[in-house]
Amino acid sequence: GAVVSQHPSWVICKSGTSVKIECRSLDFQATTMFWYRQFPKQSLMLMATSNEGSKATYEQGVEKDKFLINHASLTLSTLTVTSAHPEDSSFYICSAWDRSYEQYFGPGTRLTVT
Amino acid sequence: KNQVEQSPQSLIILEGKNCTLQCNYTVSPFSNLRWYKQDTGRGPVSLTIMTFSENTKSNGRYTATLDADTKQSSLHITASQLSDSASYICVVSVGMEYGNKLVFGAGTILRVKS
Repeated sequence: GAVVSQHPSWVICKSGTSVKIECRSLDFQATTMFWYRQFPKQSLMLMATSNEGSKATYEQGVEKDKFLINHASLTLSTLTVTSAHPEDSSFYICSAWDRSYEQYFGPGTRLTVT
Repeated sequence: KNQVEQSPQSLIILEGKNCTLQCNYTVSPFSNLRWYKQDTGRGPVSLTIMTFSENTKSNGRYTATLDADTKQSSLHITASQLSDSASYICVVSVGMEYGNKLVFGAGTILRVKS
């Protein structure tokens, strides 16, 4: 099946700083990618839908100015957590649609804000 | 409201035993139902995917069933192994004009003991 990678796999940052997470589709082009966050013992929650070449669509309650999404190419979407706070500590997972709208998930990025 | 409910919330079984996880959904229009396995700190990995017309699908020791009339699905794990310890997530796709929207269950945490 298709492969989606994320980088970094884990990151620790200080409160108030920004951190960027990359999501790449390795062997297919993805016009649409998705960003999720997952708190411990909870399921994935969709944060936003990222479309190549256009603005991301954010789910209700997700601050677009805090979670900046850029989908500049057909294989790369980035999520930047700006002015991170400890409550932003979470597991962030991206996924991507292939041509048949099958969705493949990345391995996730563990963000810890101290 | 589109919802996916899973039971039990968590389950502990002895290695070698079988178990069955349940998923009930209220989703319209239904597109397909997937079961994912998510290891701790990793992204979800697809186990099975079933469309409306399919009522059973197997993937090794995993067998999923779907009853579209009662809107129920189950995932049966045969001869469990320690490596089966993970969260199992039922995900239902809502058919949309362009692609699908995924509705996630909260997951069942399975622990296999030796």
